[in-house]
Amino acid sequence: EDQVTQSPEALRLQEGESSSLNCSYTVSGLRGLFWYRQDPGKGPEFLFTLYSAGEEKEKERLKATLTKKESFLHITAPKPEDSATYLCAVAPSGTYKYIFGTGTRLKVLA
Amino acid sequence: ETGVTQSPTHLIKTRGQQVTLRCSSQSGHNTVSWYQQALGQGPQFIFQYYREEENGRGNFPPRFSGLQFPNYSSELNVNALELDDSALYLCASSAGQGGFGYTFGSGTRLTVV
Repeated sequence: EDQVTQSPEALRLQEGESSSLNCSYTVSGLRGLFWYRQDPGKGPEFLFTLYSAGEEKEKERLKATLTKKESFLHITAPKPEDSATYLCAVAPSGTYKYIFGTGTRLKVLA
Repeated sequence: ETGVTQSPTHLIKTRGQQVTLRCSSQSGHNTVSWYQQALGQGPQFIFQYYREEENGRGNFPPRFSGLQFPNYSSELNVNALELDDSALYLCASSAGQGGFGYTFGSGTRLTVV
């Protein structure tokens, strides 16, 4: 069965304290892996798409990496405005749906 | 370029009633997908429409149905509402039926009492 597991469930960081969020996945075939940011009461906001193992993408303080079993979202020197829930999703081969993890709730303290 | 807009933003319904949620897709997008997000959970795929045809469905019962119109806007209909249907309903649009590059709306918060 296709599934996505994110860890940790919640993370509290001091401003400037770098860390990584993990997304492990099991799929029969991977069309793509996606990272989204979601603020309370809002829809997910697209961050990155990764297609194959070894791929990396960067945007400001965020960097996403992909292996055959998992993806990491690295946050360098976070700021309070980076506080949000970060969702990982996979698109299995042969379907159009995304399978989402339950997210990591990140809180960055000033 | 406008994004994805959903209406209403909040809704309270009674168990057993029917509800219709609406979504206007982003300009240039011809694919619409609907997701249900329960509190503290990730979004779950309900179904996808491409050029007015349903081309994918998740594990939701038939009382969840939808439509896509020629202008690519969409409706989600839920009949015989149950308490467990309380959730944030998200609409996402993309260009092409592959579903990549989803843009999500802000959602409709449905509460069933």
